[in-house]
Amino acid sequence: QQPVQSPQAVILREGEDAVINCSSSKALYSVHWYRQKHGEAPVFLMILLKGGEQKGHEKISASFNEKKQQSSLYLTASQLSYSGTYFCGTEVGQGAQKLVFGQGTRLTINP
Amino acid sequence: DTAVSQTPKYLVTQMGNDKSIKCEQNLGHDTMYWYKQDSKKFLKIMFSYNNKELIINETVPNRFSPKSPDKAHLNLHINSLELGDSAVYFCASSPWTGNTEAFFGQGTRLTVV
Repeated sequence: QQPVQSPQAVILREGEDAVINCSSSKALYSVHWYRQKHGEAPVFLMILLKGGEQKGHEKISASFNEKKQQSSLYLTASQLSYSGTYFCGTEVGQGAQKLVFGQGTRLTINP
Repeated sequence: DTAVSQTPKYLVTQMGNDKSIKCEQNLGHDTMYWYKQDSKKFLKIMFSYNNKELIINETVPNRFSPKSPDKAHLNLHINSLELGDSAVYFCASSPWTGNTEAFFGQGTRLTVV
């Protein structure tokens, strides 16, 4: 079952913050976050496995709620290089052997 | 060295033709995947292979047939191409299934005319 991302698109000025949400109606085994720049392949950002987990990657961090049905990606003091489409990918069980991706959130950072 | 490489990068062909896309990974991963990304950027899994064995086939038409001659290669053959097959096809690999980063190839943009 496909997770739902919100918002679908965000436009920011450089230096502003953004939050992208990823929700599922079922408890998830894990959540993966990827970023895809235009015309390029998706690139891995991070994985969250445990309920209540938070992880950071420079100024990009993410959380996984206790019930493991929602994850949020936080982009702080955004840079031009953060522009792209962000996807959350979810696994519904250990060894599920597939990632089901949300529909993506397009982030545009303007100078 | 490219970790996951796909060929060709662009493919333009007529309806009804048969075409193949090749994928190779030099990361020593056990698991490989094919994803289809449509014009709305929706990234949908098609197939998953683990050590040359088909694990996942996500209700993909029979015209699509993956082949894995060894665990470093996963090719995609498409018969009788249709207009709706136009998309970007991504190959990916991961060390094992689940809980791990997937590495994507650069994609193959298939246009059926």
